[in-house]
Amino acid sequence: ETGVTQTPRHLVMGMTNKKSLKCEQHLGHNAMYWYKQSAKKPLELMFVYSLEERVENNSVPSRFSPECPNSSHLFLHLHTLQPEDSALYLCASSHPLGQGTQNEQFFGPGTRLTVL
Amino acid sequence: AQKVTQAQTEISVVEKEDVTLDCVYETRDTTYYLFWYKQPPSGELVFLIRRNSFDEQNEISGRYSWNFQKSTSSFNFTITASQVVDSAVYFCALRGYNNNDMRFGAGTRLTVKP
Repeated sequence: ETGVTQTPRHLVMGMTNKKSLKCEQHLGHNAMYWYKQSAKKPLELMFVYSLEERVENNSVPSRFSPECPNSSHLFLHLHTLQPEDSALYLCASSHPLGQGTQNEQFFGPGTRLTVL
Repeated sequence: AQKVTQAQTEISVVEKEDVTLDCVYETRDTTYYLFWYKQPPSGELVFLIRRNSFDEQNEISGRYSWNFQKSTSSFNFTITASQVVDSAVYFCALRGYNNNDMRFGAGTRLTVKP
């Protein structure tokens, strides 16, 4: 139990659907992350929030929209996805970013997304 | 630019064998952090270790040991007397001192057979 939970664990959606992924951390962290893990590709960092402000957006298509209402919750809103977006979406959290902060990230179990 | 290379895609060993997972990195940062994570079939990445670039002391934790060599930009991970429960994908990762972006290697899938 790492203290980071994600729901749902599995999601199947059509290309015209709108869905949201939820992440919650119980570790007292102030930074949260979304990663995409596709088959046979390295983990790709999608978004970073630190102190509830987005600090990183790695050229992610607009059909992915993150939301961080507070330091414990992170959402990823999905709209008009493509089949190639099928992947494992991992959420992580860490202590606040900053100079010298040794902030290893703790991961949730992921949401396995399939886009039909 | 930061890059992590795990050249071994898959490794298969028999239980009780020792196994070393290689990790080579590239960075222009003078200060950085290196990490190892384990991803079992359940999917969740489990943090194993963090190493600071200014601390080259090797570390041992039970059956796990890590060999950090700055001169060769390597941070290798050895499992001694492997067990079936060690079967997982192992990721090496790198983060710069003031960088939000943690770069992961492609991972090494370790299978330990009974």
